[in-house]
Amino acid sequence: QQQVKQSPQSLIVQKGGISIINCAYENTAFDYFPWYQQFPGKGPALLIAIRPDVSEKKEGRFTISFNKSAKQFSLHIMDSQPGDSATYFCAPRSFGNEKLTFGTGTRLTIIP
Amino acid sequence: NAGVTQTPKFQVLKTGQSMTLQCAQDMNHEYMSWYRQDPGMGLRLIHYSVGAGITDQGEVPNGYNVSRSTTEDFPLRLLSAAPSQTSVYFCASRRETGTRELFFGSGTQLSVL
Repeated sequence: QQQVKQSPQSLIVQKGGISIINCAYENTAFDYFPWYQQFPGKGPALLIAIRPDVSEKKEGRFTISFNKSAKQFSLHIMDSQPGDSATYFCAPRSFGNEKLTFGTGTRLTIIP
Repeated sequence: NAGVTQTPKFQVLKTGQSMTLQCAQDMNHEYMSWYRQDPGMGLRLIHYSVGAGITDQGEVPNGYNVSRSTTEDFPLRLLSAAPSQTSVYFCASRRETGTRELFFGSGTQLSVL
């Protein structure tokens, strides 16, 4: 079943611009909303995560915005840099659910 | 700090051959899992384990076997490889408490001819 829908599939942003990636989910039991970052030839690594008791979390240039009523959360990358070029995955989960579902990924390319 | 170690990094098999992908972690994580990554499909869960002696199926378990005899190791076995199993395989582990962040290995690129 399609529990997690990530968009866009690919994104090209100019250096210094804002990159926005979205994740929509169906399961209202989800209580942890992470974004993973993957560079070519590497495994994914946790970038930033949010719990549903807050609507926004910021870590440096990376911000998660969470909209509980719309069942979606998004990743914003401010002042995007070429080093941010990677594939990003959302992976919302609920406590006790061991079958973690990942979004299909967004390939982000930052051009000079 | 080794983290999650996967071997081999690359492997080419012929249809019908068998092989084992190795995964080891040194973080004393209870949970370990195997994912496959295919273009446009994201990461799909194959099998997972919540502790030694306990395994369960994920989203795409057919054609794969696992066992967990120790906390550290979680090998993935392909009994009779098929071209549809050509993929990049990732092992991941995490604690059962706290943030439950997943730690991934660097992957095994498998081609089945």
